[in-house]
Formats: sequence, C-alpha cells, structure tokens
Amino acid sequence: KNEVEQSPQNLTAQEGEFITINCSYSVGISALHWLQQHPGGGIVSLFMLSSGKKKHGRLIATINIQEKHSSLHITASHPRDSAVYICAVLGGAQKLVFGQGTRLTINP
Amino acid sequence: NAGVTQTPKFQVLKTGQSMTLQCAQDMNHNSMYWYRQDPGMGLRLIYYSASEGTTDKGEVPNGYNVSRLNKREFSLRLESAAPSQTSVYFCASTRDRLYGYTFGSGTRLTVV
Repeated sequence: KNEVEQSPQNLTAQEGEFITINCSYSVGISALHWLQQHPGGGIVSLFMLSSGKKKHGRLIATINIQEKHSSLHITASHPRDSAVYICAVLGGAQKLVFGQGTRLTINP
Repeated sequence: NAGVTQTPKFQVLKTGQSMTLQCAQDMNHNSMYWYRQDPGMGLRLIYYSASEGTTDKGEVPNGYNVSRLNKREFSLRLESAAPSQTSVYFCASTRDRLYGYTFGSGTRLTVV
C-alpha cells in the first residue's frame, strides 16, 4: 500500500464546477504539499500545510491531521486549471513522499 | 528570473553511454533534490543534498551518482545508462524542508 493515496486518479468536469481532490496518508507527517503539474511538465508548488486551511485565489487546501487526510478544492473551475495535481507529505525521514497524482480535465 | 534551471531538457542515450544532468538554483537554497517521474508512479527521490558539501541516497539511487559542486549546483550522473533509466528527471530545491519547494522544468531522458 502506498504511503500517500490520492483520489480520484482522473477527474473530468465542466467549466464552473466545484472540484475536490483528496489525499490520504498513512505516516506521521510534519507538512503536506499540494503541487500542480501542467501538460508541459513543469511542477509548481501550490500550498504547504501543517494544519487547518489555506486559500489562494480559487484554490483552497485543508488538512485534518487526526484523520490523516487533506483535500484540495477548486472553485469556479476553468479549462486553464487542467493539470495533474500532486499531494506530497514530509514524513519521518524528512523527505517528501509523493502521491501518484490526480489528472484533472476541465471542459469548456 | 529566480528559480531552478535544469539542462538539458531532452536527451537520448544509447545503453552504456554516460551523461550528467545539470541543475542550478539562484535562490540561495540549502537543500537540493533529484527525482525521477515514471508513468503511473509518483515522483521518487534519487539523491538529495541537505546542505553544501553533503549528499545522501534517496529511494532509488542505484545507477546514479551526484555532486553538490557548490551551494548553487547539484548534478546527477549516469555512468552507464540503462533502458530502465528512461524517465523524466526533476531537480528541486528548498530553503528548509518546512518551506515550499521549487522545481526545475525537467529533463526527459530516453535510453535506447
């Protein structure tokens, strides 16, 4: 079993829909990262969380340490949000462990 | 622009050839990392350097060597490339593990 599991693996939605991507992990962590990888391949850091909730524009990330679960929400989704979203946790060995990613496609 | 610069962006090697992937950051970050990304798998750590002068193995170090040349540069060397090393390689850096990570644009390597 992977230490970091994301769901769904693939998600297709219509422009304007509210999007939720989930991340569950099985190890103790000191921080959790959400990353975005565009079709061209570049990886951008979106959020780093150790507790609670963070918001940046239309993106919201939450984490529940007790439940070992984090969610990434996108409000008013747009085709430019189409990308792979990656969850990564900073575990006991102080190295990032990555989920497999969620491929999001937003259709106009 | 500040960031992580990786070269080359694309490379095709024949089995047994050697090459070095270069990575440089201009953000005065302490820690640098090399990852590989394969279809259906998350990014996996090959080697990392927590600070200038130190390097350590990650999850998948076999077949690779690294050099932290100075605080800015962290190179990854394949001494004898194998088809199993066909992958996309990413370099990343961070000031401290509790800060955000900055990734390079990736190197797509094919070994035939």
